[in-house]
Amino acid sequence: EPEVTQTPSHQVTQMGQEVILRCVPISNHLYFYWYRQILGQKVEFLVSFYNNEISEKSEIFDDQFSVERPDGSNFTLKIRSTKLEDSAMYFCASSAPGLAGDEQFFGPGTRLTVL
Amino acid sequence: DQQVKQNSPSLSVQEGRISILNCDYTNSMFDYFLWYKKYPAEGPTFLISISSIKDKNEDGRFTVFLNKSAKHLSLHIVPSQPGDSAVYFCAASPPITGNQFYFGTGTSLTVIP
Repeated sequence: EPEVTQTPSHQVTQMGQEVILRCVPISNHLYFYWYRQILGQKVEFLVSFYNNEISEKSEIFDDQFSVERPDGSNFTLKIRSTKLEDSAMYFCASSAPGLAGDEQFFGPGTRLTVL
Repeated sequence: DQQVKQNSPSLSVQEGRISILNCDYTNSMFDYFLWYKKYPAEGPTFLISISSIKDKNEDGRFTVFLNKSAKHLSLHIVPSQPGDSAVYFCAASPPITGNQFYFGTGTSLTVIP
């Protein structure tokens, strides 16, 4: 069964450093998303991406964040200068085209720890 | 801004009995609702969904009920099994293709053998 994959599974970085989180969505999906979950809190939407551009973003997704689909298979989230409060699980998701409300398939997540 | 709420952080149920997980939402624009199951160190896994044109959707042991007037949905698992022990998230979406899902805070279900 096709699945969303994410690398790395765990990333430890120093405050102020740049990190890139990688995702390979399901191959025939056209909508891509990043969510995050701070420990003990709810899953929060960051950004959605369609047709090579951001379609929606939350207020969390400020200028420090960017997304890219560099090669038609990978979907990346870059945090330019990490802060302590960026420590969280980051989930990538993708969904198929079609009717509104298609379920989103989530990857296993990358645990980001900012020291 | 908590548009989707799960007021019970945890629930314990005996194996074989029914588990009922509840979810409330505030945004009347939501028209698509889902339940995700999450094990530790894994991503959320889609479980079951319901569109606002229905009030019930069933898939095996899992049934989701939607009460639009009360802005409430629930997930029934019957019979509950120990393997159902996980965190369950309710999510909702407005009728826009590719739109974000709004998640609740989750309910940790423990099924006791």
